[in-house]
Amino acid sequence: AQSVTQPDIHITVSEGASLELRCNYSYGATPYLFWYVQSPGQGLQLLLKYFSGDTLVQGIKGFEAEFKRSQSSFNLRKPSVHWSDAAEYFCAVGAGTGTASKLTFGTGTRLQVTL
Amino acid sequence: EPEVTQTPSHQVTQMGQEVILRCVPISNHLYFYWYRQILGQKVEFLVSFYNNEISEKSEIFDDQFSVERPDGSNFTLKIRSTKLEDSAMYFCASSDGGRAITDTQYFGPGTRLTVL
Repeated sequence: AQSVTQPDIHITVSEGASLELRCNYSYGATPYLFWYVQSPGQGLQLLLKYFSGDTLVQGIKGFEAEFKRSQSSFNLRKPSVHWSDAAEYFCAVGAGTGTASKLTFGTGTRLQVTL
Repeated sequence: EPEVTQTPSHQVTQMGQEVILRCVPISNHLYFYWYRQILGQKVEFLVSFYNNEISEKSEIFDDQFSVERPDGSNFTLKIRSTKLEDSAMYFCASSDGGRAITDTQYFGPGTRLTVL
């Protein structure tokens, strides 16, 4: 069965600093990988996804992620964090039976941004 | 921009009572999902629904749970006899189904269910 590990529960960065959120996955086949962000009181918003092709994926809000098969990782990065990026970030792997997909999420990383 | 909506935002119920959580998926989407997040834990898949039937369900989705698309717009999750451990945030999601597994799932804001 697939699984996702986000080793960092809570990260604090200064505004303007770079950010990297770690994600490791376990999945027997080609993984479909996603990063979602959840702001307080909001639903989960997709930042980016990877399912094939270029291993460096660009997303919304200036985020990018790199798929590294050898390390089973899909880390999320942003070169310069803004205060509005404070939220909870979830990595997920998609799998399915051929029709609908299901997402398996990590436990999330809460990002705090200091001014 | 189209979005998934959920009602109510917060539901409080007594243990043993039935609750129905409602979702309006994005209008042209074909696949529908329910997930839940117990406070402090990860988001967990409950069920996927396509073509008026369940595609897949998790071990959490036992006989106490059911889903329905009663009309062309709503997608509901019913819990027949709520237990304390059903207290969680319940998220509805939908996808357009063009490529199924790689499709983006769009999530609603969630319904917080509190069972007393």
